[in-house]
Amino acid sequence: SQQGEEDPQALSIQEGENATMNCSYKTSINNLQWYRQNSGRGLVHLILIRSNEREKHSGRLRVTLDTSKKSSSLLITASRAADTASYFCATVDYNNNNDMRFGAGTRLTVKP
Amino acid sequence: NAGVTQTPKFRVLKTGQSMTLLCAQDMNHEYMYWYRQDPGMGLRLIHYSVGEGTTAKGEVPDGYNVSRLKKQNFLLGLESAAPSQTSVYFCASRSGVSPLHFGNGTRLTVT
Repeated sequence: SQQGEEDPQALSIQEGENATMNCSYKTSINNLQWYRQNSGRGLVHLILIRSNEREKHSGRLRVTLDTSKKSSSLLITASRAADTASYFCATVDYNNNNDMRFGAGTRLTVKP
Repeated sequence: NAGVTQTPKFRVLKTGQSMTLLCAQDMNHEYMYWYRQDPGMGLRLIHYSVGEGTTAKGEVPDGYNVSRLKKQNFLLGLESAAPSQTSVYFCASRSGVSPLHFGNGTRLTVT
């Protein structure tokens, strides 16, 4: 299975601060994806980074990927109260299987 | 486009009853997935499908069955509901190398 494991489990910061979440995985991947979940809702895709990429930006999001360490990080800069949500990573290896599994996620709370 | 639509949104069952959850997508996606999410937890994969007429087991398939008779629909069945199946169920779909698109979930309570 291709399952990412996020840490920390929970993160609480003040508005304006940066938030960093990490994801580790165990096998080879084609890409790694980060998702966000607002309370009770379905997950929403944030950003995808391919295995041959090391860093990717999208607005206030910055994702890095280190395939040698089998880890990724998601940085949210200048956080806002609206960023309060759970964040999940999922890794994909299309050659081995097509199931997509998620870790337990990081619960981010941004205090106004 | 509606994207991924799950019906019903809420359901309460008594132990031993059966029901079917419907997931419909209008994006012509090949791959479809059923997950369950318990309070404060991540998503666990129940079953998935890589195309019409095919299904495969995920992490927690016991107590559930699925069918993919049409490409756009993926049905999740509970033959004899148990309180341990109280959860929020999410359906998702994707195409090729695209990310997953999720429905808004079905809240199921089994008493």
